[in-house]
Amino acid sequence: EVLLVESGGGLVRPGGSLRLSCAASGFTFSPYTMNWVRQAPGKGLEWVSSIDSSSTFMHYADSFKGRFTISRDNAKNSLYLQMSSLRSEDTAVYYCARGLGGVVVTLDSWGQGTLVTVSS
Amino acid sequence: DIQMTQSPSSLSASVGDRVTITCLASQGIRKYVAWFQQKPGKAPKSLIYAASNLQGGVPSRFSGSGSGTEFTLTITSLQPDDFATYYCQQYESYPLTFGGGTKIQI
Repeated sequence: EVLLVESGGGLVRPGGSLRLSCAASGFTFSPYTMNWVRQAPGKGLEWVSSIDSSSTFMHYADSFKGRFTISRDNAKNSLYLQMSSLRSEDTAVYYCARGLGGVVVTLDSWGQGTLVTVSS
Repeated sequence: DIQMTQSPSSLSASVGDRVTITCLASQGIRKYVAWFQQKPGKAPKSLIYAASNLQGGVPSRFSGSGSGTEFTLTITSLQPDDFATYYCQQYESYPLTFGGGTKIQI
């Protein structure tokens, strides 16, 4: 069974930083593009970033370029999202999701999410 | 960026109803559309990929169709477990984009 478990969320002050982690199990992690998607309270889904299997290509939504950095460690079956210069608008549940497809992917398995709250 | 316009944003339905949700892409995306179901407080669940392919374990009352710019998700004979919010997503190109969601309620 595919299992994705996010961690690292919490309360952070505006302007602060946070690093999210996603631990993957139940499948061979290394060949898959991995992704972060977020959902603000009461809002829809918003794609954040994707990273390919070898960390060669990273893609970001414009809102996050320069502030967020996606990375992975295939030896540890883990995905990360380093977030900096956080704003109140970044308050959301952040989901880790496995990619399905080729260069551009859909998202076939999701973690349960981790809540990030940006507030003073 | 490719915009995904989903309609309706909400609908009221009853058990046994046939429901159709539409997503319009702002440009042609061939068949690179997926559909997700999300229940309150839960992660999204993938239902359909490549416009019409059911993910494993998804009941056959769910179906998807379309290509190019217009796509539909159909639920035949709505079941109590189907009351949820549904999203489309395009994966023709980055940035990945989602529709605004359709909430199916009683």
